[in-house]
Amino acid sequence: AQSVTQLDSQVPVFEEAPVELRCNYSSSVSVYLFWYVQYPNQGLQLLLKYLSGSTLVKGINGFEAEFNKSQTSFHLRKPSVHISDTAEYFCAVSGKSGGSQGNLIFGKGTKLSVKP
Amino acid sequence: DAGVIQSPRHEVTEMGQEVTLRCKPISGHNSLFWYRQTMMRGLELLIYFNNNVPIDDSGMPEDRFSAKMPNASFSTLKIQPSEPRDSAVYFCASSFPGQGVTEAFFGQGTRLTVV
Repeated sequence: AQSVTQLDSQVPVFEEAPVELRCNYSSSVSVYLFWYVQYPNQGLQLLLKYLSGSTLVKGINGFEAEFNKSQTSFHLRKPSVHISDTAEYFCAVSGKSGGSQGNLIFGKGTKLSVKP
Repeated sequence: DAGVIQSPRHEVTEMGQEVTLRCKPISGHNSLFWYRQTMMRGLELLIYFNNNVPIDDSGMPEDRFSAKMPNASFSTLKIQPSEPRDSAVYFCASSFPGQGVTEAFFGQGTRLTVV
């Protein structure tokens, strides 16, 4: 079974400042990792994903994340945020094999609030 | 592609009534997921189907909840009888794990209010 922990429920930040949203996971099998964004009254959209290969993954809207297997982390970063980045961000994990394959497990989300 | 389509977008019903939520996945996707989102519990996986077969329904909270996928292009989530604590946003998502898992594509959600 897998689980995901997003340590920060809310992150306030000023416009043009850098931001890091933290995500840690646990799993007994190898995993795929995802970050999704949810704007108010919308469904979830994929920001980026890690399947294999380079541990630094670049996504849409200038976001990137780094997979760290030893620390079981997949933190999301952006060097300079905009007001339009205000949204809730979800980290998710899926097992690569067995019964957990295809089963996306989400963290509880981090609300990013960008202030002018 | 129209994406994952859910209906209705909003549903208000009285306690004790039956509620049916509907989902049309993206054409060609063979995995379908139902999630529930609340402030208290976040995003919870209720059930997922692969090739129309329920694979994991351990997240279905009670026997009042049931889900079906009669064919590859349609799924329903039914709550009977509904209770105020079922109020939440219900999301449907689909994916095509052809060579391992790819990302899930989400619908806009159904906001259910049980009064």
